[in-house]
Amino acid sequence: GESVGLHLPTLSVQEGDNSIINCAYSNSASDYFIWYKQESGKGPQFIIDIRSNMDKRQGQRVTVLLNKTVKHLSLQIAATQPGDSAVYFCAEMDTNAGKSTFGDGTTLTVKP
Amino acid sequence: ETGVTQSPTHLIKTRGQQVTLRCSSQSGHNTVSWYQQALGQGPQFIFQYYREEENGRGNFPPRFSGLQFPNYSSELNVNALELDDSALYLCASNKGYPGSDTQYFGPGTRLTVL
Repeated sequence: GESVGLHLPTLSVQEGDNSIINCAYSNSASDYFIWYKQESGKGPQFIIDIRSNMDKRQGQRVTVLLNKTVKHLSLQIAATQPGDSAVYFCAEMDTNAGKSTFGDGTTLTVKP
Repeated sequence: ETGVTQSPTHLIKTRGQQVTLRCSSQSGHNTVSWYQQALGQGPQFIFQYYREEENGRGNFPPRFSGLQFPNYSSELNVNALELDDSALYLCASNKGYPGSDTQYFGPGTRLTVL
């Protein structure tokens, strides 16, 4: 079945370091990929997205890389700050079938 | 703030009961999606609506049903509640066709089934 898996369910980094969160997906029909940040007691917050016709996209302090050959997605956060501490989810979407699949999340802890 | 609101915030029901959860999307958002998030897990896609019609559905039984109204609000109905239905229910909306634009989530409704 379809699945989106996250490597390393927890990640601890020092403030100012760069963080990399990885994600594997299995549905080759997925054409839209999104990273979300979820803080305790809140709904997921959009961070950055990428379409399947791209392999890299940059935002403010964040970069998403997509490798369709090995079905791998990563989120890079530059100069990680304590406010970045949260659970991060990757999600894949098959926009033609109208289905979304989320991973189980990676907890990022930023140490001051 | 995402502009997506959900009600109620918390809800307690007993097994076998029925529940209706509500979501108000951002103005102009044609697509609304519902997710179930169990504690410590990622959101699981229930279904989505585009222009008031169901556009996609995840692996949830028919006792999970929904509606989308012309005023951008939406409902999730769950019949014959089971203990495993206890979770955070999230709705999300986006402008245009599903997947065409950024999806914004509401804060969720915490449902507890006893």
